[in-house]
Amino acid sequence: DIVMTQAPLSSPVTLGQPASISCRSSQSLVHSNGNSYLSWLQQRPGQPPRLLIYKISNRFSGVPDRFSGSGAGTDFTLKISRVEPEDVGVYYCMQTTQFPHTFGGGTKVEIK
Amino acid sequence: EVKLVESGGGLVQPGGSLRLSCAASGFTFSNYPLSWVRQAPGKGLEWVSSISASGDDTPYAESVKGRFTISRDNSKDTLYLQMSRLRGEDTAVYYCTKEWDKSDDSHYGYWGQGTLVTVPS
Repeated sequence: DIVMTQAPLSSPVTLGQPASISCRSSQSLVHSNGNSYLSWLQQRPGQPPRLLIYKISNRFSGVPDRFSGSGAGTDFTLKISRVEPEDVGVYYCMQTTQFPHTFGGGTKVEIK
Repeated sequence: EVKLVESGGGLVQPGGSLRLSCAASGFTFSNYPLSWVRQAPGKGLEWVSSISASGDDTPYAESVKGRFTISRDNSKDTLYLQMSRLRGEDTAVYYCTKEWDKSDDSHYGYWGQGTLVTVPS
């Protein structure tokens, strides 16, 4: 199974300041079709998860452009350019390159 | 608009069974793979099982293999999860998800609100 490791566990951020979350996979996420199926999800308190970024760097429909994803191979990053109050929640990376699909442990973003 | 609505959760004794349902709308159900993902109270997300569009391919997490069965009824636009021999560690909110979107090759873009399954330990 591919193990997804996120850092940090918690990220206290000042409103309007950037935030960055790291995710590392235990093996390459490059699929046989050449795509890397690394996604980022946001889960606000009491809500189901919401897809933010797919295939490393593509913003899903309706996601603000302050969210961006980058990386390749086994190292990936989610960046929030300017944290807003509605960004509070837990962020998960996820790989869907192969079964079993696996999630990182989550990073809690909170306001300082 | 894609909509996924889970039902069937509740309190069940250890060793018991439960069937979850997920009613889908807003897309051509029979064309898409679907998945169940669960989240234990205060914990992270865990993929449970997926089912291909035809229903022929059904991978499972090791933690549920042999106890849970995923299925779909393409005539009713409904996804199911039959859970048996339930344990305390199966206590979780179970989410139904649309696993893949053809338009952009995204995965897990759509989630239901979830249904809570409680198995006292």
